[in-house]
Amino acid sequence: IQMTQSPSSLSASVRDRVNITCRASQDISNSLAWFQQKPGKAPKSLIYAASNLQSGVPSKFSGSGSGTDFTLTISSLQPEDFATYYCQQYKSYPLTFGGGTKVEIK
Amino acid sequence: EVQLLESGGGLTQPGGSLKLSCGASGFTFSSHAMSWVRQAPGKGLGWVSAISGLGISTYYADSVKGRFTISRDNSKDTLYLQMNGLRAEDTAVYYCAKDRGPNSGIFDFWGQGTLVTVSS
Repeated sequence: IQMTQSPSSLSASVRDRVNITCRASQDISNSLAWFQQKPGKAPKSLIYAASNLQSGVPSKFSGSGSGTDFTLTISSLQPEDFATYYCQQYKSYPLTFGGGTKVEIK
Repeated sequence: EVQLLESGGGLTQPGGSLKLSCGASGFTFSSHAMSWVRQAPGKGLGWVSAISGLGISTYYADSVKGRFTISRDNSKDTLYLQMNGLRAEDTAVYYCAKDRGPNSGIFDFWGQGTLVTVSS
C-alpha cells in the first residue's frame, strides 16, 4: 500500500492552523497513524486509528479521514511544532510510511 | 516509564553482518509486538521488520527478506535484528518501536536509534 503525503513541505507562522494530507493507494479503513520527528531525534507517536490521540499528546493535534484520504491538523502552530510529520498505514504488512511533510517557520 | 535502548550499530563493509539489540523496560515485553524501522541519512522512515509478542509471527520488507532476521528473547526483554549480506543502501539509523498490542501495527514508543554504516 503506497502512502502519499502533501505537501512535502510548508512554511507557516506561529498560531497558524496547518493541515497535512495523506492519501493511501487503497482503502485502509481507519488504520492510519501520524508521527512527529524533530532533527536528530526519534519519531514521536501522535495519532492512531486516524483520529485517536496517543497518551500525552496535546489536543491541538487532531486527525480525520477514513478509506483513502486523511488529514492531520495542528490548530495553532507553536515553535515546538516545527518538525517533519509522517503518516503510516497498518492495515496490512508491509507497513508503509508517507514521504513526510516538513513544517518550517515562515 | 517505557524505555527502549538500541545497540549494536557501527561500521561494516558491504557483505558484512551486524546484530542489533533493543533492550526494553517499563512494560510487559511479551504482550507487545515490536518492529524495526530505519531512516537513511536525510530520508524518510522505512519499516523493516516486525515480530509478534510471543515471537510466533514475523514480517519483513521485501528489501531485507532473506538477509535480515528478527527475533526476541522475552526472558531478557530484548529484541534483535540479525543483518547479513549488508549493502550500502542499508546505511541508516535503525529504530526499534513498540506496538500498542500483541500485533496491531500501531507504534506508541520509539527508541533513540542506532546508526548502521555500510561502506568499504
